[in-house]
Amino acid sequence: DIVVTQSPDSLAVSLGERATINCKSSRSVLNSSNNKNYLSWYQQKPGQPPKLLIYWASTRESGVPDRFSGSGSGTDFTLTISSLQAEDVALYYCQLYYSAPYTFGQGTKLEIK
Amino acid sequence: QVQLVESGGGVVQPGRSLRLSCAVSGFTFSSYGMHWARQAPGKGLEWVAFIWYDGSNQYYADSVKGRFTISRDDSKNTLYLQMNSLRVEDTAVYYCARAGWAATAGSGMDVWGQGTTVTVSS
Repeated sequence: DIVVTQSPDSLAVSLGERATINCKSSRSVLNSSNNKNYLSWYQQKPGQPPKLLIYWASTRESGVPDRFSGSGSGTDFTLTISSLQAEDVALYYCQLYYSAPYTFGQGTKLEIK
Repeated sequence: QVQLVESGGGVVQPGRSLRLSCAVSGFTFSSYGMHWARQAPGKGLEWVAFIWYDGSNQYYADSVKGRFTISRDDSKNTLYLQMNSLRVEDTAVYYCARAGWAATAGSGMDVWGQGTTVTVSS
């Protein structure tokens, strides 16, 4: 099975500053046949289900603000929030879906400094 | 609009069974693969199971393999999770979610239900 490691576990960033969350896979999730990376990012606020932010590592879901961006390829990926807003306080998870099991990272708690 | 509504959660003793349902609306259910995921109290997300759009293939997390069965009834627009031999560690909020960009393998979740709570306790 592919193992996913997400870092950091928690992160405190000032309003308006950049937040960066990392996700590392034990094996490449790049499919050479379609040149797509099988990784998504989710945001979860307390008492709510997760919300899809990014898929194919860098494609923003419809309606997601453009301050959220995803990057990386192969085994190393990053979620960046370019200018942190108060409403971005949440837990963030990456997920690999290259092959089952479709493992989630352990999550990153993002707070305001 | 697209909607997924889970039901069937509750309190159950270890070793017993429970069946969760996920009623969907707002999209063509038979065209989409579907996932179950769960979240134990205060813990992170755990993917549980996935079924192809046509029900021909299912995949499971090692933690539930042999005990849980994912299935679907396209005539009822409903996804199921049959949970047998329940353990205390199966206590969690269970979410159903739509596979957003592939009807077969290789898709994450683009729409999620609100979840149903399962508590396994003696």
